[in-house]
Amino acid sequence: KAGVTQTPRYLIKTRGQQVTLSCSPISGHRSVSWYQQTPGQGLQFLFEYFSETQRNKGNFPGRFSGRQFSNSRSEMNVSTLELGDSALYLCASRREEGSPLHFGNGTRLTVT
Amino acid sequence: DQQVKQNSPSLSVQEGRISILNCDYTNSMFDYFLWYKKYPAEGPTFLISISSIKDKNEDGRFTVFLNKSAKHLSLHIVPSQPGDSAVYFCAASVGGGYQKVTFGTGTKLQVIP
Repeated sequence: KAGVTQTPRYLIKTRGQQVTLSCSPISGHRSVSWYQQTPGQGLQFLFEYFSETQRNKGNFPGRFSGRQFSNSRSEMNVSTLELGDSALYLCASRREEGSPLHFGNGTRLTVT
Repeated sequence: DQQVKQNSPSLSVQEGRISILNCDYTNSMFDYFLWYKKYPAEGPTFLISISSIKDKNEDGRFTVFLNKSAKHLSLHIVPSQPGDSAVYFCAASVGGGYQKVTFGTGTKLQVIP
């Protein structure tokens, strides 16, 4: 069974640009979550989607947005990039309510 | 406001000995706790979990202890192996359903052969 797939693995963008990250969950998983990992901050929750609806949202500015498609694949968009947005962005899916998250290998975003 | 705290950024342990990783939380509503392990260039992988109705859960070499009164949990790895060297994240959530999972900042464990 394929795991959670995130594309691209690495991305370099310039301040002010926008970026879209993609995530394909494990087959059969309908929930997708997004996290930001930065040194010293651990994993910060961005949002979670279930059946194309945003169920939870973290404390990030409106520049961070996401969506989920009918096939459960999800995208995350960051507009007007700032240097502080440089981080590892992790996507996770889970099979059902309360079950553990299964993470992808992340997208490393560098903003210059 | 860091609701899940891992106060030790790093830990070194000799192979074969016990590794103890600690985690404290401030939100008394948390009732489900998990530990994840992360290798460089990979996403975190689920290790073990515990519900607040229990105070101990064991899975092979890994045991998680929960002390609700102290709002503290710990992960014990016995015996420690070099392959256990990784960053360990503690996480917690409230209730069932699709509630957000809150992670700590991680502890880097190094097991010395």
